[in-house]
Amino acid sequence: NAGVTQTPKFQVLKTGQSMTLQCAQDMNHNSMYWYRQDPGMGLRLIYYSASEGTTDKGEVPNGYNVSRLNKREFSLRLESAAPSQTSVYFCASSPQPLAGGRNEQFFGPGTRLTVL
Amino acid sequence: EDKVVQSPLSLVVHEGDTVTLNCSYEVTNFRSLLWYKQEKKAPTFLFMLTSSGIEKKSGRLSSILDKKELFSILNITATQTGDSAVYLCAVRSYNTDKLIFGTGTRLQVFP
Repeated sequence: NAGVTQTPKFQVLKTGQSMTLQCAQDMNHNSMYWYRQDPGMGLRLIYYSASEGTTDKGEVPNGYNVSRLNKREFSLRLESAAPSQTSVYFCASSPQPLAGGRNEQFFGPGTRLTVL
Repeated sequence: EDKVVQSPLSLVVHEGDTVTLNCSYEVTNFRSLLWYKQEKKAPTFLFMLTSSGIEKKSGRLSSILDKKELFSILNITATQTGDSAVYLCAVRSYNTDKLIFGTGTRLQVFP
């Protein structure tokens, strides 16, 4: 099992450009998440999807859109990139929403995005 | 507003030292607290705690939760250079599927 995979690993954009970050998991997890991590800010939730076909805003959704394409894939789109979106982006997945027992999130390797 | 606060922000120790990392939280309908270790890339799961007073152990790492005082500690004994990382604490409530993360404690272990 590859776990959670993300592409690309690195990306440099100019202000105003658009791009999509891809995430896929092969663990048959129901829930998927997108976070951004900035120095001194910890991990902040952008959007999440509790199950296929549903998405919800997290703490910092402005400037982003998401698509839960199927159970495996959850993409994050920047329509018009801004320098404030320079960050490291992590995708994560977990087995079931609101389930009992062990329900930790598994993280992908991250995408380092720079917006000039 | 739900929040998670970790202390100290950073810690520098020598190999063999014992360290204690702190995590305090305020969250509605607390369900569980999770510890992650983040080295160069993705966070990796360490522990999940749901009940007060029950210590979780994995080798030299251990963690305990106090639901009355709303905090958790992560202990690392006989530290090694491989323990150098950012340690993240996160909490989950019953209302939501979301995790709320603290800003982390950066631990550096020197030989």
